[in-house]
Amino acid sequence: EADIYQTPRYLVIGTGKKITLECSQTMGHDKMYWYQQDPGMELHLIHYSYGVNSTEKGDLSSESTVSRIRTEHFPLTLESARPSHTSQYLCASSGSKSTGELFFGEGSRLTVL
Amino acid sequence: AQSVTQPDIHITVSEGASLELRCNYSYGATPYLFWYVQSPGQGLQLLLKYFSGDTLVQGIKGFEAEFKRSQSSFNLRKPSVHWSDAAEYFCAVGERSSASKIIFGSGTRLSIRP
Repeated sequence: EADIYQTPRYLVIGTGKKITLECSQTMGHDKMYWYQQDPGMELHLIHYSYGVNSTEKGDLSSESTVSRIRTEHFPLTLESARPSHTSQYLCASSGSKSTGELFFGEGSRLTVL
Repeated sequence: AQSVTQPDIHITVSEGASLELRCNYSYGATPYLFWYVQSPGQGLQLLLKYFSGDTLVQGIKGFEAEFKRSQSSFNLRKPSVHWSDAAEYFCAVGERSSASKIIFGSGTRLSIRP
């Protein structure tokens, strides 16, 4: 059973506020990912990490930033939220010896007013 | 660049009927192939995966998929759907060289008619 957790599940916040979406996994996976999911369902990779102190931008440009100080933790931060950031954010992880199978958290749905 | 196409945005089938969801990919070599399912308000769960060997793979919940290299396809099938199968279904491909980046299709929403 996969163990990857995201908090908060739902967040409604005003424009200009700083937010951090938390993602933690207890599987010891090296690789972690953030996907942004549009209302029309499509998933876009916005950040990924291959290990501690490694972060890369994904295929979709994002104003968010990430950090990877500990293996199990991969938080995503928006310094100044805007309505265009309203979306669902999905965190995922995979093991270094895996063939790419991703384990997903339940998602964080962000609404910026 | 690799890409994944799911041509059907929304499909409705009757409970008990058979199901086939289409997936085509574009890639220079044979990639890793996946099908994921997403229930409303949830993350994605892996249904099945193809890496090598037998081109017909079995997954959870009675789903199967067949890899057809000549057609660059990896269609998902189920002989008899249940109301609980209503969800979003995503096809995905991964790079064999690094297996690090997974690209998802745009998804197919499955509705079940009672």
